Amino acid sequence: EAGVAQSPRYKIIEKRQSVAFWCNPISGHATLYWYQQILGQGPKLLIQFQNNGVVDDSQLPKDRFSAERLKGVDSTLKIQPAKLEDSAVYLCASSEQGGGNTIYFGEGSWLTVV
Amino acid sequence: GESVGLHLPTLSVQEGDNSIINCAYSNSASDYFIWYKQESGKGPQFIIDIRSNMDKRQGQRVTVLLNKTVKHLSLQIAATQPGDSAVYFCAENGAGANNLFFGTGTRLTVIP
Repeated sequence: EAGVAQSPRYKIIEKRQSVAFWCNPISGHATLYWYQQILGQGPKLLIQFQNNGVVDDSQLPKDRFSAERLKGVDSTLKIQPAKLEDSAVYLCASSEQGGGNTIYFGEGSWLTVV
Repeated sequence: GESVGLHLPTLSVQEGDNSIINCAYSNSASDYFIWYKQESGKGPQFIIDIRSNMDKRQGQRVTVLLNKTVKHLSLQIAATQPGDSAVYFCAENGAGANNLFFGTGTRLTVIP
């Protein structure tokens, strides 16, 4: 079974530029998550989708971050404009459904803002 | 000069010894817990999970223990191997919550 796919794996941009990350969850998984992991810390949830609807985006900095999952399958996370403190790994994850089901992670998209 | 940034708790063990990684969780209402292993440059990898109606669960070379009284979780790795070197995170899924809250993580180093 294919895992969670993410691209690009690595990205370096200048501050105030924009960047987009793509995620394709495990086939059949209704719930998709975007997490941000700053070096030396555990992942922190940014946004959670159930099919194509947003379940929780309370930790998403909406002035610069946006995410969509239009057809309820793959998802895109965008940052515009980027700040230095956005340098982190952006992890996409999926589960069959939320609430106590195993969440599987992709390899992450590593962002460096200079 | 002074170093900047978080320093993960670390654990060093000899190859072949058993490892015990501990985690204190915060929400007494949490009902589902997962241990993840994260190797350098990779995403978190599921190891084992446990629900709050259990106090012990065993997998292949790994055991998770849950003590709800003191809100403590531990991961035991038997016969630790060099490939077990990684950062280990515990995560809790609070009752009614649909996502995971991660702890700080522990860096395990296996000495050959």
